[in-house]
Amino acid sequence: EAGVTQFPSHSVIEKGQTVTLRCDPISGHDNLYWYRRVMGKEIKFLLHFVKESKQDESGMPNNRFLAERTGGTYSTLKVQPAELEDSGVYFCASSQEVAGGRSTDTQYFGPGTRLTVL
Amino acid sequence: AQTVTQSQPEMSVQEAETVTLSCTYDTSENNYYLFWYKQPPSRQMILVIRQEAYKQQNATENRFSVNFQKAAKSFSLKISDSQLGDTAMYFCAFMTWGAQKLVFGQGTRLTINP
Repeated sequence: EAGVTQFPSHSVIEKGQTVTLRCDPISGHDNLYWYRRVMGKEIKFLLHFVKESKQDESGMPNNRFLAERTGGTYSTLKVQPAELEDSGVYFCASSQEVAGGRSTDTQYFGPGTRLTVL
Repeated sequence: AQTVTQSQPEMSVQEAETVTLSCTYDTSENNYYLFWYKQPPSRQMILVIRQEAYKQQNATENRFSVNFQKAAKSFSLKISDSQLGDTAMYFCAFMTWGAQKLVFGQGTRLTINP
């Protein structure tokens, strides 16, 4: 079974340009998450999709970031226009539908996209 | 807000030794989950072990075990008989029961030397 995949693995852009990151979750996983790790700091949650709906976008830093998950399959995260502080590693993760009760499913992570804004 | 603290930015041990990575967290919740994730140099982050807060028994997965002290809000990871393949960045993470987002610590870079 294929794991979570992300494209590109590395992107270098100029300040003010637009970049779109893509995440393909594990097939059948309804939950999809985006996280970000800025250099030397902790990994921070950005947002959570359940199928095509945004369940929680409390971690999105500002309106320059736009996430979509059309059809409930892959997701894109667009940064427009990019700023220097957007540099970091962007991780995507997916998990199965959460069953009722005291349970949560494991989040499986992709390899990340390293974004460098110059 | 929940916070997770890993006080050891880097650690280094010899192969076959036992090493313990520390993690403390802060929360007012009573029901939650704790995780240790490992990110080897190849970058794919994988789950090492998880602990449900309502379970008193410490979780174990082969050479990996945790020491969960709920009152002290401590969740350390012990790696026994360490191997070269254990070299990685280790992240401690927290999730409130009912929520779906992970709160991570800053990470500990562990190096196993031959």
